[in-house]
Amino acid sequence: GQQLNQSPQSMFIQEGEDVSMNCTSSSIFNTWLWYKQDPGEGPVLLIALYKAGELTSNGRLTAQFGITRKDSFLNISASIPSDVGIYFCAGQLPGANNLFFGTGTRLTVIP
Amino acid sequence: DAGVTQSPTHLIKTRGQQVTLRCSPISGHKSVSWYQQVLGQGPQFIFQYYEKEERGRGNFPDRFSARQFPNYSSELNVNALLLGDSALYLCASSQFLGGNTGELFFGEGSRLTVL
Repeated sequence: GQQLNQSPQSMFIQEGEDVSMNCTSSSIFNTWLWYKQDPGEGPVLLIALYKAGELTSNGRLTAQFGITRKDSFLNISASIPSDVGIYFCAGQLPGANNLFFGTGTRLTVIP
Repeated sequence: DAGVTQSPTHLIKTRGQQVTLRCSPISGHKSVSWYQQVLGQGPQFIFQYYEKEERGRGNFPDRFSARQFPNYSSELNVNALLLGDSALYLCASSQFLGGNTGELFFGEGSRLTVL
């Protein structure tokens, strides 16, 4: 299957700090998505991106669809304790219906 | 509106047994997908169904099967369970099959432990 490399693997930050994480692929995707998963729950969609170069915001979250279509970035500004969780990138190949997920970035916010 | 609902939430089986997991999609959604999430990893695609037909299959053995019913609910069956089948099984629904199908809405999952 497709390999999505997500980094960093984990992050420990102070409340109020900004966070950046990224995801790269060896293949071109036509859709990039970012999900957040809390313990014991399913992933929740945060942001969906459909065009190369697209920059989309959802509150304090901003994500970008890389120009090469092989990468995506997620930024969280002014982190708060409820941002704690695992963030997954996911990509969809052209013509495919399923998603390939990254390995996740575990975010810990220290109050 | 209710989200994606899955049952059971937790179950324990022994090697060689069979398991059936159930999923009800969001009302109005016609596509259901199943993903397996092993501890510490991202979800991996197993199946996708749309309008009761299989529209995609991931790299899983034939021990895994699924179906979708006229009301768009779905079942995932796993036969001859192995220890490595222990995982969180996630069901996701989406409104359409084509176009922007990346917007999947996940249930809370069924956590299967195989002893």
